[in-house]
Amino acid sequence: NAGVTQTPKFQVLKTGQSMTLQCAQDMNHEYMSWYRQDPGMGLRLIHYSVGAGITDQGEVPNGYNVSRSTTEDFPLRLLSAAPSQTSVYFCASSPDGGGRTGELFFGEGSRLTVL
Amino acid sequence: DAKTTQPTSMDCAEGRAANLPCNHSTISGNEYVYWYRQIHSQGPQYIIHGLKNNETNEMASLIITEDRKSSTLILPHATLRDTAVYYCIVSPRGGRGGKLIFGQGTELSVKP
Repeated sequence: NAGVTQTPKFQVLKTGQSMTLQCAQDMNHEYMSWYRQDPGMGLRLIHYSVGAGITDQGEVPNGYNVSRSTTEDFPLRLLSAAPSQTSVYFCASSPDGGGRTGELFFGEGSRLTVL
Repeated sequence: DAKTTQPTSMDCAEGRAANLPCNHSTISGNEYVYWYRQIHSQGPQYIIHGLKNNETNEMASLIITEDRKSSTLILPHATLRDTAVYYCIVSPRGGRGGKLIFGQGTELSVKP
């Protein structure tokens, strides 16, 4: 059971380039979300999804797009990378948003540097 | 979602109990208290959660005051591996679709 898998683990981009961070979970969880964490800061929610075909914005959605075509996958797209998007990105999943079980399952993170 | 206030940092001696406080004075009746921790830039790890009763699991105990305006996470016998940032989060049941709002957390240093 792999849990939540994020790829790539490390990426360097130039300003203006686009890329997609991949997130996949094999636990049949309905809820998935993306967070970013800047140095010395807590996690901030970018986008989240309560099921296939349904997404919504979090605290810091600007510059990012998401889609949820399957239960398993929740990719995060950077349309035109900026240095301000240099961060560590975490994907998380939950069978019910963390309420009854109280738990989000996090991936290991994707470390992105934009030059 | 209600806002939480935690001390920025705390120290604890190895083998002693670590008591991490959290204030959430604006918590509403349907909001749970969750605790997560993050070890050295890894993905956050769930510890425990509760609504109004005290809770205990293999990792920690959670004490919630009767008025629910504050809580304390207790690690009964802290080890060096418990050094991490601990986040206290309040959120409605269901977490609104995996949407938990993380604050700054408390950086706990367990010292030999």
